[in-house]
Amino acid sequence: KQEVTQIPAALSVPEGENLVLNCSFTDSAIYNLQWFRQDPGKGLTSLLLIQSSQREQTSGRLNASLDKSSGRSTLYIAASQPGDSATYLCAAWEETGANNLFFGTGTRLTVIP
Amino acid sequence: SAVISQKPSRDICQRGTSLTIQCQVDSQVTMMFWYRQQPGQSLTLIATANQGSEATYESGFVIDKFPISRPNLTFSTLTVSNMSPEDSSIYLCSVDAYGQKLNYGYTFGSGTRLTVV
Repeated sequence: KQEVTQIPAALSVPEGENLVLNCSFTDSAIYNLQWFRQDPGKGLTSLLLIQSSQREQTSGRLNASLDKSSGRSTLYIAASQPGDSATYLCAAWEETGANNLFFGTGTRLTVIP
Repeated sequence: SAVISQKPSRDICQRGTSLTIQCQVDSQVTMMFWYRQQPGQSLTLIATANQGSEATYESGFVIDKFPISRPNLTFSTLTVSNMSPEDSSIYLCSVDAYGQKLNYGYTFGSGTRLTVV
């Protein structure tokens, strides 16, 4: 069974700093990988989707990379802002099944003004 | 991407009662998914709901506890029955955006924060 792990579990940085969040998965036969943001007590907001044929995706200050062979994805946040404070979740899809979506444990980010 | 309206956003319920959560999507989708997120945990899939058929439940979840309706291609409900404090969680619905998850990914509702006292 696919297992997705995110390190670190929590991260606190000063405003303006660049940072990297890590996501690892045990089965490299994933199809796509999606990064989400979750504010406390709220639902999930999709940030970036990396398709299996892609190696990275960019949206504004966010850049996500995918290395299937090593079982890793990273989310890079440039020039962090207090509004970036949230929990970030990665989710890997497997190639088979209707909804084989496996979530990581999440990284709780705090950006200090 | 698709827009999901989920309600209620939060509720505090007495043990032994039931709560029905609704999700309305702005476009027709084949499958809708219901997740539970217990405090401090990641998301766990409860069931997949297809229109016109019974929902498919994941291991550890049963229809008597979490009955699901899917009357049409834009709407679904999840009921949490005979609640206990252990049911206190965030419940989320999700869809495969426009049936094209490969291009757009999954979209989630805003969540229902349930507290059982």
